[in-house]
Amino acid sequence: GENVEQHPSTLSVQEGDSAVIKCTYSDSASNYFPWYKQELGKRPQLIIDIRSNVGEKKDQRIAVTLNKTAKHFSLHITETQPEDSAVYFCAASPGGYSTLTFGKGTMLLVSP
Amino acid sequence: NAGVTQTPKFQVLKTGQSMTLQCAQDMNHNSMYWYRQDPGMGLRLIYYSASEGTTDKGEVPNGYNVSRLNKREFSLRLESAAPSQTSVYFCASSEVPDNTQYFGPGTRLTVL
Repeated sequence: GENVEQHPSTLSVQEGDSAVIKCTYSDSASNYFPWYKQELGKRPQLIIDIRSNVGEKKDQRIAVTLNKTAKHFSLHITETQPEDSAVYFCAASPGGYSTLTFGKGTMLLVSP
Repeated sequence: NAGVTQTPKFQVLKTGQSMTLQCAQDMNHNSMYWYRQDPGMGLRLIYYSASEGTTDKGEVPNGYNVSRLNKREFSLRLESAAPSQTSVYFCASSEVPDNTQYFGPGTRLTVL
């Protein structure tokens, strides 16, 4: 089955800095890669996703890049703000009715 | 449009007791999922239902059973609770081809 590794497990940055979280996956059939944000005590919510027919996708301050050859994808957050503090999860799936496999999460702390 | 709802929000059980966690979605999604979330372990899939009338085991199914009651509802049952089942349980739903999973608010379960 699919295996998703996520690094780092914790990340501390100063407000205004950039943050990068990296994930690797094992199943070459995976073609859907979402990122979820989970604030303390809340449910995970999708913030951005990428499918294997593109290499990069941006949405305001967040972007995701995908390297299918190397089987890794990354989340980039620019101009971080204290409200970006949360746990971020990457996931991978072959799509269709296949399930998502999640990474173990990255706790991002943005200090004012 | 409530999205995905779960009951109860909190529950304390004694070892050996049984209980059912309820989940419902109003988005007309075919697929529904049950996850457990433990510190440092990410989201692990317990069971899923790709469509009404089907259920399949996920990564950590032991000690649990599920019922897909109809298209809207998917319940998770603990027949004889154990302290190792202390966790936060999330239900989610999705639909092809988008595959975005929408999560419920979670149930925090403690087994003494």
